[in-house]
Amino acid sequence: DAGVTQSPTHLIKTRGQQVTLRCSPKSGHDTVSWYQQALGQGPQFIFQYYEEEERQRGNFPDRFSGHQFPNYSSELNVNALLLGDSALYLCASSLVQGDYEAFFGQGTRLTVV
Amino acid sequence: KNQVEQSPQSLIILEGKNCTLQCNYTVSPFSNLRWYKQDTGRGPVSLTIMTFSENTKSNGRYTATLDADTKQSSLHITASQLSDSASYICVVSTYGNNRLAFGKGNQVVVIP
Repeated sequence: DAGVTQSPTHLIKTRGQQVTLRCSPKSGHDTVSWYQQALGQGPQFIFQYYEEEERQRGNFPDRFSGHQFPNYSSELNVNALLLGDSALYLCASSLVQGDYEAFFGQGTRLTVV
Repeated sequence: KNQVEQSPQSLIILEGKNCTLQCNYTVSPFSNLRWYKQDTGRGPVSLTIMTFSENTKSNGRYTATLDADTKQSSLHITASQLSDSASYICVVSTYGNNRLAFGKGNQVVVIP
């Protein structure tokens, strides 16, 4: 049973560029949440997707957008990259119903230069 | 102010020794509290999850406690091993919307 998988694992982008990160949830999970984790900090909630719609959003600008597909996989898009967007981006999947336990992927390390 | 505060921020312990990590939270209404272990550059891995009615839960050498009245939790590591070197993150879930509030983590370094 595959857990949560994210791609790519590492990425280097230039300021002003756009980036797309991908996440496949754990089998049987229908909810995907995205987090940004700066070095030495705890993860910060970006947004959550369920039934292909954004259900909750953290305190992130509109440059951060997402999408969920019918197979529950998800994408995180960041436009007009800033140096401060450099971080580990984590995807977590869970069930809307049930024990709500979240399973995390290994993350995508984004470096903006 | 962060809704989940952890202490100490970091600590160094000798292999074989025990240690205790603390977590205080203000999240309300409370659903559950989880402890995750995060190796450097990797995603967090769940160690324990406790609901309001549970006050202790163990996972091998890891034992978590919860006092829902004082909104405090601890994670005790017994007989530490080098592989225990990691960040331990306390995460509290809000009842109803399953929103997760993360602490900044306790950075643990185990030395031989």
